[in-house]
Amino acid sequence: NAGVMQNPRHLVRRRGQEARLRCSPMKGHSHVYWYRQLPEEGLKFMVYLQKENIIDESGMPKERFSAEFPKEGPSILRIQQVVRGDSAAYFCASSPVRDGRSEQYFGPGTRLTVT
Amino acid sequence: AQSVTQLDSQVPVFEEAPVELRCNYSSSVSVYLFWYVQYPNQGLQLLLKYLSGSTLVKGINGFEAEFNKSQTSFHLRKPSVHISDTAEYFCAVITYGSSNTGKLIFGQGTTLQVKP
Repeated sequence: NAGVMQNPRHLVRRRGQEARLRCSPMKGHSHVYWYRQLPEEGLKFMVYLQKENIIDESGMPKERFSAEFPKEGPSILRIQQVVRGDSAAYFCASSPVRDGRSEQYFGPGTRLTVT
Repeated sequence: AQSVTQLDSQVPVFEEAPVELRCNYSSSVSVYLFWYVQYPNQGLQLLLKYLSGSTLVKGINGFEAEFNKSQTSFHLRKPSVHISDTAEYFCAVITYGSSNTGKLIFGQGTTLQVKP
């Protein structure tokens, strides 16, 4: 059973460009969480999705950020018009259920650098 | 609102010495508690979790943690560390209840530096 896959692992964007980060959950997992790790900080929750639904986006910045988890294919975190402050490591995690008791399995992360 | 405080940002320790990484949390509702480890340039791996029952939980790689409800703490311990334990350690909570969405709330992290 393959783990959580994220690509690309490293992404460099110039200010104003768009960044698309992909996350393929573990097989059989329909719950996806995105977290952001800013330099010298811990991980902060961004958004929680189930297939075709955004359940909790309380941690998402109000502008430029969006997320989706379509019926087929990976979950996508999209950042429009990136700024230097978006430089961070973005991790996704997947879980088979939403009860909080089950482990969230983390991907290796995408390290975004905005120049 | 819930919060997690890891009291030490860096903990240097010599190989084979014991170590304790401290974690306190604040929450008005009951929580599940977790410790994750992050090796350089990798994702997070679950070390252990407390859901209910015995307050002493054992995890992988020889780590254990004790839940203390009165002190709202969940400190991580290992009796003898190895060089390979050098990593970043994160304490985290999930609130449980009908409104629970399963999101993890993390502390700031503690860098464990094991020296030979």
